[in-house]
Amino acid sequence: AQSVSQHNHHVILSEAASLELGCNYSYGGTVNLFWYVQYPGQHLQLLLKYFSGDPLVKGIKGFEAEFIKSKFSFNLRKPSVQWSDTAEYFCAASNNAGNMLTFGGGTRLMVKP
Amino acid sequence: SQTIHQWPATLVQPVGSPLSLECTVEGTSNPNLYWYRQAAGRGLQLLFYSVGIGQISSEVPQNLSASRPQDRQFILSSKKLLLSDSGFYLCAWSVASGRSDTQYFGPGTRLTVL
Repeated sequence: AQSVSQHNHHVILSEAASLELGCNYSYGGTVNLFWYVQYPGQHLQLLLKYFSGDPLVKGIKGFEAEFIKSKFSFNLRKPSVQWSDTAEYFCAASNNAGNMLTFGGGTRLMVKP
Repeated sequence: SQTIHQWPATLVQPVGSPLSLECTVEGTSNPNLYWYRQAAGRGLQLLFYSVGIGQISSEVPQNLSASRPQDRQFILSSKKLLLSDSGFYLCAWSVASGRSDTQYFGPGTRLTVL
């Protein structure tokens, strides 16, 4: 069965600290990978996505993620977090057989000023 | 530009009562439409998706149902709510391109069943 795992449920960092949120997937065949973010009181919105090509994907607000096929991972990174990055982050995956997204359980990030 | 609307924003309903949540999309035609539920402390779970009017696929068996009476309207319903139906319900749309594409989410409806 297809699944997405986010191992960190809650992360607390101080401003300027580096961030890495883990995401592992279990999918057969071609996989498309996404990171979504939900800021407090706002819509779920796309942060970045990987379909093919360069495995290092750059998204909005200084975030990036690296697709490592051998590790079935798509970890999200940011070199220096800001208080405004406080949000819940969701990793998601799908394959080219359809548009159904499978989401991970989410990671709540709190950045202390 | 495309926009997606959901209403109501919040809803408190007694156990056993019916439910109707509405989602509409503007600025696009023939979108794929989705209903997700986000339960407290858990990720998003796909409930239903639709590739066209009257075409509904269910991912999780439950006492909820979905309908798509118009191209850009997607409705989530229940005849009798259960306590376990409480959660945050999100509607999303994507381009019907035949391949996986970005999904765009609505503001959600927070449902509390008492």
